[in-house]
Amino acid sequence: ETGVTQSPTHLIKTRGQQVTLRCSSQSGHNTVSWYQQALGQGPQFIFQYYREEENGRGNFPPRFSGLQFPNYSSELNVNALELDDSALYLCASTFGGEIAGNTIYFGEGSWLTVV
Amino acid sequence: RKEVEQDPGPFNVPEGATVAFNCTYSNSASQSFFWYRQDCRKEPKLLMSVYSSGNEDGRFTAQLNRASQYISLLIRDSKLSDSATYLCVVNWGNTGKLIFGQGTTLQVKP
Repeated sequence: ETGVTQSPTHLIKTRGQQVTLRCSSQSGHNTVSWYQQALGQGPQFIFQYYREEENGRGNFPPRFSGLQFPNYSSELNVNALELDDSALYLCASTFGGEIAGNTIYFGEGSWLTVV
Repeated sequence: RKEVEQDPGPFNVPEGATVAFNCTYSNSASQSFFWYRQDCRKEPKLLMSVYSSGNEDGRFTAQLNRASQYISLLIRDSKLSDSATYLCVVNWGNTGKLIFGQGTTLQVKP
């Protein structure tokens, strides 16, 4: 529906491992943001990429990193996984470096469980 | 103080009831405001934008009070299908960094 697809949809990792989550944005959407949503909480902004450069970061440690590629896809990488990293990870894309919330499209998310 | 605060609820109401959700935000420089709806284990979806003049979309009315840094959502004639979590969202300076509240859970019962 939104043209934003995320993979994998569900995964289980062990504490200390690394994980890569992927997002494919709508064609032409040069801005992508990642959010973490823990159970019972609202989504928390992790970072945003605009034209393949990080363009803003929330209160997350450096072990959360990202990449954006010319084909409008992006990755969220998390190293040294901790139990508290268990959450729904949402990718949101739009066009333009400065955007209004009504033009942001969310993917269905990736459910990460760390055991 | 949280950047965006909402009463998490849950709000349990009968079909046909009118229910109101409130939200406060801390950053007076915030420029745009929204209500999103999130169904269980799904992604958030935009319900409506919120303007100072107030705006209405069918049974839904949103209001913004910039002086009090307060946002509201009113749902009239509640339907079973309105059962969801409603997220108050603020966009700082149109940067794309959306700040979400914790969400308010609504359960509409027959």
